[in-house]
Amino acid sequence: NAGVMQNPRHLVRRRGQEARLRCSPMKGHSHVYWYRQLPEEGLKFMVYLQKENIIDESGMPKERFSAEFPKEGPSILRIQQVVRGDSAAYFCASSPGTSGRETQYFGPGTRLLVL
Amino acid sequence: GENVEQHPSTLSVQEGDSAVIKCTYSDSASNYFPWYKQELGKGPQLIIDIRSNVGEKKDQRIAVTLNKTAKHFSLHITETQPEDSAVYFCAVITGGGNKLTFGTGTQLKVEL
Repeated sequence: NAGVMQNPRHLVRRRGQEARLRCSPMKGHSHVYWYRQLPEEGLKFMVYLQKENIIDESGMPKERFSAEFPKEGPSILRIQQVVRGDSAAYFCASSPGTSGRETQYFGPGTRLLVL
Repeated sequence: GENVEQHPSTLSVQEGDSAVIKCTYSDSASNYFPWYKQELGKGPQLIIDIRSNVGEKKDQRIAVTLNKTAKHFSLHITETQPEDSAVYFCAVITGGGNKLTFGTGTQLKVEL
């Protein structure tokens, strides 16, 4: 049973470009979470999605950031007009979605570098 | 919102010794407490978790204890090995929510 998959593993963008990060949850998992880890810091919650629905986006910056989890295909975290402060590791996690307080399993992350 | 403090930030032990990492949280409604291990360049890996109706849980060399009254929980690693060297994060989920609030991490180094 494959774990959470993320791609790309590394992404380099210049200021002003767009970054698209993809996450495929574990088989059978219908809940996806995105977290950001700045250098030398812990992980910070960004957004929680179920299929075709955003459940909690309280951790998402108000501008330039968006997320989706379509009926078919992976979840996408999109960052428009990237700035150097967006450089970080972005982790996706998934859970089965059958009840609350569920174990979240993390992917290997996408390391975004903005030049 | 929830606030999670984690201590120490770095911990160095000799191989075979025990290591203890502590976390405190602020919201008494918190009810799920996982611990993750993160190796360099990798994603967090769940190593053990505990729910609020249990005071202690053990899995081989790893144990977690929870004190709901004092609002703190601890990770205990016995008989440490070099491969235990990594950054360890505690986290909590509060109430009926699903988002994890993480501590700031502990860099554990197990020396030969």
